[in-house]
Amino acid sequence: DADVTQTPRNRITKTGKRIMLECSQTKGHDRMYWYRQDPGLGLRLIYYSFDVKDINKGEISDGYSVSRQAQAKFSLSLESAIPNQTALYFCATSASTDTQYFGPGTRLTVL
Amino acid sequence: DQQVKQNSPSLSVQEGRISILNCDYTNSMFDYFLWYKKYPAEGPTFLISISSIKDKNEDGRFTVFLNKSAKHLSLHIVPSQPGDSAVYFCAARRAGGTSYGKLTFGQGTILTVHP
Repeated sequence: DADVTQTPRNRITKTGKRIMLECSQTKGHDRMYWYRQDPGLGLRLIYYSFDVKDINKGEISDGYSVSRQAQAKFSLSLESAIPNQTALYFCATSASTDTQYFGPGTRLTVL
Repeated sequence: DQQVKQNSPSLSVQEGRISILNCDYTNSMFDYFLWYKKYPAEGPTFLISISSIKDKNEDGRFTVFLNKSAKHLSLHIVPSQPGDSAVYFCAARRAGGTSYGKLTFGQGTILTVHP
């Protein structure tokens, strides 16, 4: 079984809809992250959480919110999706400041 | 402001030859550097890393070189294999402060190894 799972893997939605992407991990890591990947821009950090009570904005947090429901679960929400949020979204985990481990990604299309 | 840059969007190499992927950074506070490999429909996977106190780290066919004065690092793959075809991301971690532990990624380089 995968250590970091993301659901859904693919999602097509319409402008203005609320969307939630979920991430679960079995690695026992305290730190979790949400990134988006766009062609030519690499991976950009949206939000990160160093423990259940700690939530921090990344470099592109506008239009997004997160919830750390438990050590193993970190969800990303788009309150009102817009087309330029069409991207590949990755969740990652790490132990303290060590290597980050990524989930398989969610491909989101906003029409 | 792109603090980590991979200026070559793509690289094509013949099987058995050397692949050299390059990465430049601007922030002198970065103290740890990583390379990730990403196949289509999968998440990035960690490949190799190097601390700023070293100038070389080797793991099998993969070697990372760090030139701090030039703020440049490179990943060498020798010999290259078709299975190495993937997107390679360079990443950097900033030492200290509230940014500690966060990674800044480059844009990625698509490596294609031809049989």
